[in-house]
Amino acid sequence: KAGVTQTPRYLIKTRGQQVTLSCSPISGHRSVSWYQQTPGQGLQFLFEYFSETQRNKGNFPGRFSGRQFSNSRSEMNVSTLELGDSALYLCASRDTLEAFFGQGTRLTVV
Amino acid sequence: KNEVEQSPQNLTAQEGEFITINCSYSVGISALHWLQQHPGGGIVSLFMLSSGKKKHGRLIATINIQEKHSSLHITASHPRDSAVYICAVRGETSGSRLTFGEGTQLTVNP
Repeated sequence: KAGVTQTPRYLIKTRGQQVTLSCSPISGHRSVSWYQQTPGQGLQFLFEYFSETQRNKGNFPGRFSGRQFSNSRSEMNVSTLELGDSALYLCASRDTLEAFFGQGTRLTVV
Repeated sequence: KNEVEQSPQNLTAQEGEFITINCSYSVGISALHWLQQHPGGGIVSLFMLSSGKKKHGRLIATINIQEKHSSLHITASHPRDSAVYICAVRGETSGSRLTFGEGTQLTVNP
């Protein structure tokens, strides 16, 4: 079974731009969660999608949004990028209890 | 006070030593995860626990639900075990949302 796939792996964007990151979960997993990891804040929960519905949302501004498609693939979007959005963005897919993480997308905002 | 506290933050060991990393949490949980993160960012799930003890190779994880405490042990440590180890909990009512400890940077010297 293929693992969780995140694309792209690396991304450089300019302040004010927007970015879309993609996550393909393990086949059969319907839950996808997104996390942001920064040196200062550690790993923080962004949001969770289950069967195309956002089930839970972390404490992030409205510039951060996401969606999930009928095939369970998920995208997250960050609009009006700020320097502080530079981070590793990880997604995880889940079966009943176990969580499986992707390799992450490293976003650098310059 | 963070909901999930790990200790120590940094740990240096000699190859072959027995290593223990501790995690304490303050909320009711449905599961606790031990994760490993190597440089480059990808996260691997080592264990998911809701009670008792699990063993995989040289790794052992235990949890005491009453005391809200978990430990990760590495027997016969090896330089390839050098990584950041992260404890994460899933709250009883938080779906897939994980709350993370700050991580323990482990360095095993040959």
